[in-house]
Amino acid sequence: NAGVTQTPKFRVLKTGQSMTLLCAQDMNHEYMYWYRQDPGMGLRLIHYSVGEGTTAKGEVPDGYNVSRLKKQNFLLGLESAAPSQTSVYFCASSGVLVDTQYFGPGTRLTVL
Amino acid sequence: RKEVEQDPGPFNVPEGATVAFNCTYSNSASQSFFWYRQDCRKEPKLLMSVYSSGNEDGRFTAQLNRASQYISLLIRDSKLSDSATYLCVALLGGGNKLTFGTGTQLKVEL
Repeated sequence: NAGVTQTPKFRVLKTGQSMTLLCAQDMNHEYMYWYRQDPGMGLRLIHYSVGEGTTAKGEVPDGYNVSRLKKQNFLLGLESAAPSQTSVYFCASSGVLVDTQYFGPGTRLTVL
Repeated sequence: RKEVEQDPGPFNVPEGATVAFNCTYSNSASQSFFWYRQDCRKEPKLLMSVYSSGNEDGRFTAQLNRASQYISLLIRDSKLSDSATYLCVALLGGGNKLTFGTGTQLKVEL
């Protein structure tokens, strides 16, 4: 099993450009999450999903959109990238017992 | 005030030493607690859960003090491979979202 995978691993964008980050899990987990991690700020929840077709806002949702069309995939979109969105983005998944979250390897995004 | 607070460190200790980290949480409705480990430029991974009665896994011991709202992690006989950032994590009762602390960095030296 691959667990949780993320694509791409690295990306550089210019201000105003858009992109989509893809997260995939093969553990049949119901819950999926998108976090960003910044120095001194820790992991902050952007959006999450408790099942196929559902999404909800986390702590820092502004400037991001998500979709969960298939149970195994969770997409994070940036419609108009800003330098403040430079960060490391982690996707995670869990079963209905959310204590154990499995994280992907992360995407390092730089917005110039 | 952050919901989960940790001393960022770094804690520099010699190999074989015992080291302890504390973490405080502000939401008394938090029901479950965990320690995650994150290696440099890698993803976080669950290290252990924290129970009121204490939890021991080999050289690692986790404790919860609900009255004072803090969690601790004790590492005995530190190894070079223990060098990492340790994240304190809380889960609200009935919730489906984890709240992460900013992490405590540990460096174990020869």
